Amino acid sequence: SQQGEEDPQALSIQEGENATMNCSYKTSINNLQWYRQNSGRGLVHLILIRSNEREKHSGRLRVTLDTSKKSSSLLITASRAADTASYFCVADSWGKLQFGAGTQVVVTP
Amino acid sequence: SQTIHQWPATLVQPVGSPLSLECTVEGTSNPNLYWYRQAAGRGLQLLFYSVGIGQISSEVPQNLSASRPQDRQFILSSKKLLLSDSGFYLCAWRPIRDSYMNTEAFFGQGTRLTVV
Repeated sequence: SQQGEEDPQALSIQEGENATMNCSYKTSINNLQWYRQNSGRGLVHLILIRSNEREKHSGRLRVTLDTSKKSSSLLITASRAADTASYFCVADSWGKLQFGAGTQVVVTP
Repeated sequence: SQTIHQWPATLVQPVGSPLSLECTVEGTSNPNLYWYRQAAGRGLQLLFYSVGIGQISSEVPQNLSASRPQDRQFILSSKKLLLSDSGFYLCAWRPIRDSYMNTEAFFGQGTRLTVV
């Protein structure tokens, strides 16, 4: 079974806008990770936030983590057409990596 | 550098036939290894993961099994495929640097299995 839910399931924005997606998980974690998948192929790691961290930045990505609510959010600023992809959060419970259902993001020029 | 090999890329198998998908990792030792399945337009379902040779955790009680005969080799098998086994199968590995396992996973390119 999958770890949790992602919200929204789909997101359509224009270039230059920000994209925000949320993730909830069910178990205790040592970290939470975000991955990106293009066109149903391989996955690429974007960012990892540890359970004792609340916010982390990497380039145009900003991720937050609230362990009390078992939730995380990913913000992509100044989106580009190349950001079109599916984005997944992954709850890491000491080696067990469980994916959320994903958010499909479409960025139009 | 580390690389992951997963093959074949595409596979069409009849119902009731056996399955063997292989995944190997190069350039590292004692990685955690994972098998996932993805249905069309869906998220990834964790099937099996392994923290060492002979240590395999199963997440789904279906007609699939996994084995880790060598440190960097992970095999997904079935004795008799079902139509519902169709999907996109992904292998992944991650290095273990400390007991908290705060490391990213690296994915293979996947195998698209169609059971007919």
